[in-house]
Amino acid sequence: KQEVTQIPAALSVPEGENLVLNCSFTDSAIYNLQWFRQDPGKGLTSLLLIQSSQREQTSGRLNASLDKSSGRSTLYIAASQPGDSATYLCATTTSGTYKYIFGTGTRLKVLA
Amino acid sequence: NAGVTQTPKFQVLKTGQSMTLQCAQDMNHNSMYWYRQDPGMGLRLIYYSASEGTTDKGEVPNGYNVSRLNKREFSLRLESAAPSQTSVYFCASGDRVADTQYFGPGTRLTVL
Repeated sequence: KQEVTQIPAALSVPEGENLVLNCSFTDSAIYNLQWFRQDPGKGLTSLLLIQSSQREQTSGRLNASLDKSSGRSTLYIAASQPGDSATYLCATTTSGTYKYIFGTGTRLKVLA
Repeated sequence: NAGVTQTPKFQVLKTGQSMTLQCAQDMNHNSMYWYRQDPGMGLRLIYYSASEGTTDKGEVPNGYNVSRLNKREFSLRLESAAPSQTSVYFCASGDRVADTQYFGPGTRLTVL
């Protein structure tokens, strides 16, 4: 059974820092992996989706990488801003099931 | 476009009462999903519908029923609510199963 882990659970950084959020999964036979952002009391917003055949995806200051063999994905945020403060979740599907399994998220606070 | 809408936003039930959570999307997506989010547990898939006319169980289907009324609407019913069903419920949709998912704002349900 696929299990998704995100460490650390919470992170505080000063504005302007480049930072990396980690996501680990136990079954490397994934179909794809998504990174989401969730603001307090709100729904989730998809940030980046990486297909299993891809190594990375980029959108603005965000870059997500995928290493299936090691069961890891990272979300890199460049030049962090207070507006980046939110919870970041990763989710992956195992080939053949197409059901997303979510990590518990990393709560990020960027200090002005 | 309203995206994914959910009603109600908040609900308080007594144990044993029933209710239906409504979800609608205006993006002409084929797939729709119901998740619950609990502290420390992340999001867990309750049911999903890969296309109009089909529904499948997710990770935690017990105590719930769903109806894919048409392509736009996917409802979640609690026949006899229990305190363990206190949670935040999210509906999501996507063009295809395991594609990018778009989330609604959530329904906060408390069962006393």
